[in-house]
Amino acid sequence: GQNIDQPTEMTATEGAIVQINCTYQTSGFNGLFWYQQHAGEAPTFLSYNVLDGLEEKGRFSSFLSRSKGYSYLLLKELQMKDSASYLCAVSGSSNYQLIWGAGTKLIIKP
Amino acid sequence: DVKVTQSSRYLVKRTGEKVFLECVQDMDHENMFWYRQDPGLGLRLIYFSYDVKMKEKGDIPEGYSVSREKKERFSLILESASTNQTSMYLCASQGFISTGELFFGEGSRLTVL
Repeated sequence: GQNIDQPTEMTATEGAIVQINCTYQTSGFNGLFWYQQHAGEAPTFLSYNVLDGLEEKGRFSSFLSRSKGYSYLLLKELQMKDSASYLCAVSGSSNYQLIWGAGTKLIIKP
Repeated sequence: DVKVTQSSRYLVKRTGEKVFLECVQDMDHENMFWYRQDPGLGLRLIYFSYDVKMKEKGDIPEGYSVSREKKERFSLILESASTNQTSMYLCASQGFISTGELFFGEGSRLTVL
């Protein structure tokens, strides 16, 4: 079957660095997405990886290894506003359908 | 700024009632989606539409139907609401397959009593 795993919850300290992992098993691969969702709000797009390697975008970076079925989202210089859920999603065999992880709730402490 | 607007943020309905959830996007996107989001589960696709009057079932279409009469509007219909349909419903639109970025509405939290 198709599956995406990510930790349920993580805690980090303001100003620190945190890495949120995502592993996937899908039939087909057309890219991996990370979305941020603050409590009670809509998910918003953070990053898209289709080739192996690291994509950097300001304080956020996303890494992909297709051979390992593995991605991570790296958040640097954490701020209180980064407290949110981070959703990993894979575009598998269908361009229209994404397979979603359950999300990782990130708690930032002062 | 791109915008996806859902008609109601919060609804409370009774079992057996018909429920309409509406979604409008202003980006001229071809693809629109309805998801439900429940605690501890990933987003689950109910239906999607890739053109006016075109629709395809997602992973959990049972108990739901959709309507897309105009490109900008995609409606989700619960013909006879049941308590297990209590959930957060998210609408999304997508313009280009190559990027795949979804733009989400703010969600409609439905409670069925």
